[in-house]
Amino acid sequence: NAGVTQTPKFQVLKTGQSMTLQCAQDMNHNSMYWYRQDPGMGLRLIYYSASEGTTDKGEVPNGYNVSRLNKREFSLRLESAAPSQTSVYFCAISEFTGGYGYTFGSGTRLTVV
Amino acid sequence: QKEVEQDPGPLSVPEGAIVSLNCTYSNSAFQYFMWYRQYSRKGPELLMYTYSSGNKEDGRFTAQVDKSSKYISLFIRDSQPSDSATYLCAMIPAGGTSYGKLTFGQGTILTVHP
Repeated sequence: NAGVTQTPKFQVLKTGQSMTLQCAQDMNHNSMYWYRQDPGMGLRLIYYSASEGTTDKGEVPNGYNVSRLNKREFSLRLESAAPSQTSVYFCAISEFTGGYGYTFGSGTRLTVV
Repeated sequence: QKEVEQDPGPLSVPEGAIVSLNCTYSNSAFQYFMWYRQYSRKGPELLMYTYSSGNKEDGRFTAQVDKSSKYISLFIRDSQPSDSATYLCAMIPAGGTSYGKLTFGQGTILTVHP
């Protein structure tokens, strides 16, 4: 999806391993978000960053940490992966918090075995 | 109980049919209503956006919001095989602690067969 780049696209982890999901945008938007998508659950907000230098918890933050490195980049870290964190992770951006028209990345498919 | 409920389907219709997709919600603070379309193994993309109650039309797509019933709909006329995707409703409140955070329905899987 244009404007939001997520890496990696696929990842398999063993239980207890750590990893960082990267998200970068080139649209100069202020707000960035991390969602996870699970069958039957829709998209659920993990963490968000309203602007550079701020982060806040969403609906399902447990087991995750985030860093808003600069205006362009927002990373999601799993310190000790668990099978329950097997999911598809999406990064999204919006011009400002409360603005409509979020732009999503193409996702990272994570499997924890 | 989820704040936003959406029938997951799956929904299978013939080409040319009129499709109706629906969501109900419980949070009366929701003011902005959106429909996203998600193709397989892709991220969601914004399809329609509506503020408060009313209708909005864009080509073959019509979005309706009935805030009194806490009910939103997306209609697709003359459906095409290229409309086959998962459709997600999403909502944002105008203020409060959830300000700015999209809440999604579970998504409805739609297949339009030739």
